[in-house]
Amino acid sequence: EAQVTQNPRYLITVTGKKLTVTCSQNMNHEYMSWYRQDPGLGLRQIYYSMNVEVTDKGDVPEGYKVSRKEKRNFPLILESPSPNQTSLYFCASSLTIFNQPQHFGDGTRLSIL
Amino acid sequence: DQQVKQNSPSLSVQEGRISILNCDYTNSMFDYFLWYKKYPAEGPTFLISISSIKDKNEDGRFTVFLNKSAKHLSLHIVPSQPGDSAVYFCAASGYWNRLTFGEGTQLTVNP
Repeated sequence: EAQVTQNPRYLITVTGKKLTVTCSQNMNHEYMSWYRQDPGLGLRQIYYSMNVEVTDKGDVPEGYKVSRKEKRNFPLILESPSPNQTSLYFCASSLTIFNQPQHFGDGTRLSIL
Repeated sequence: DQQVKQNSPSLSVQEGRISILNCDYTNSMFDYFLWYKKYPAEGPTFLISISSIKDKNEDGRFTVFLNKSAKHLSLHIVPSQPGDSAVYFCAASGYWNRLTFGEGTQLTVNP
């Protein structure tokens, strides 16, 4: 089954403790992206990747890092999480870098205390 | 600044009637528009899209209309079904498939 898989689905942690949210897709997609969803703001793009080793900032990249060492994986790293990063996070992918629908994972709810 | 806006946080309609969800945008560089549906505890699911060279795209019960001069798009669902109850997001892209989302509209279809 074609899918985008995120782990963990839920995490409660404390300020400053490094964490990684993994994202994997099995569709051989070139393009992958991370979004965060906050009440009243919709989804906002954090980082995106156009292919292996090619990443760039989205609209809200502060406090986040990403890497794309393999085509299928695109982890989101919070080196020193803070409470304002408490949010619902979505990973997405699409076949190419050109405008087309993105397929989303089921989300990761992070709570930073 | 919010470049894509959905001014109605919620909409309630009767089963069988038409649902119309609206979206406005400000960035004239956007040339591809999409609607996503989201159920609780799931990721957004793609519904329908439209390129800026068109003004209408239809897929079954779903039709998206684009008015470029007004920078406005709408999603029509006919007939509405209780299973359509979800949050609907409109999104726009200008390049590199970078999506800008609206705030979302909660649609409730009453039996």
